[in-house]
Amino acid sequence: DTGVSQNPRHKITKRGQNVTFRCDPISEHNRLYWYRQTLGQGPEFLTYFQNEAQLEKSRLLSDRFSAERPKGSFSTLEIQRTEQGDSAMYLCASSLSGSYGNTIYFGEGSWLTVV
Amino acid sequence: QKEVEQDPGPLSVPEGAIVSLNCTYSNSAFQYFMWYRQYSRKGPELLMYTYSSGNKEDGRFTAQVDKSSKYISLFIRDSQPSDSATYLCAMSATQGGSEKLVFGKGTKLTVNP
Repeated sequence: DTGVSQNPRHKITKRGQNVTFRCDPISEHNRLYWYRQTLGQGPEFLTYFQNEAQLEKSRLLSDRFSAERPKGSFSTLEIQRTEQGDSAMYLCASSLSGSYGNTIYFGEGSWLTVV
Repeated sequence: QKEVEQDPGPLSVPEGAIVSLNCTYSNSAFQYFMWYRQYSRKGPELLMYTYSSGNKEDGRFTAQVDKSSKYISLFIRDSQPSDSATYLCAMSATQGGSEKLVFGKGTKLTVNP
């Protein structure tokens, strides 16, 4: 499978715990995005990387959230001291800059439930 | 006013019907317009991509963009039960920036056999 891969697909955690999600983008894609989606809403942009550089962060990304893409390949999204309001699906997406239209492809998402 | 407005439905149609899904937007900088299909508890799947105004057809799907009215549409002909999903419109501004997508809320579609 050469699509965007996310792990774990589901995570249940207690409030106050830290969680980390991993994303492996499509291999030739240099851009990687994180989005968050809650029930009944469309995905909301969190942050994006071009290669290893984090170039934009939404104000939705509080100080408890940190994303990295250390070698310009896979990325991790860590949420510290989770709160119930963090319960959502976290979507990773990738694209190739400079390609026609820069179309963005999503992974299957990582579901987070904070109890 | 949200940047992208989309009627969440739900929309229920009989098999074979023509389905019309729509979004309006307020940001005139948007130039790239997409439709994604999302099945329950899955990631969004890119269906159609359009640059600027005009029509684009792909099989049973037709995407239309009217930038003057800030209005985009997706038409599904001969709808099938397998088309039952949530349809998300998404758009982004000019190339050169992050090209982050701004999504509508999604319209939940059910096609009844």
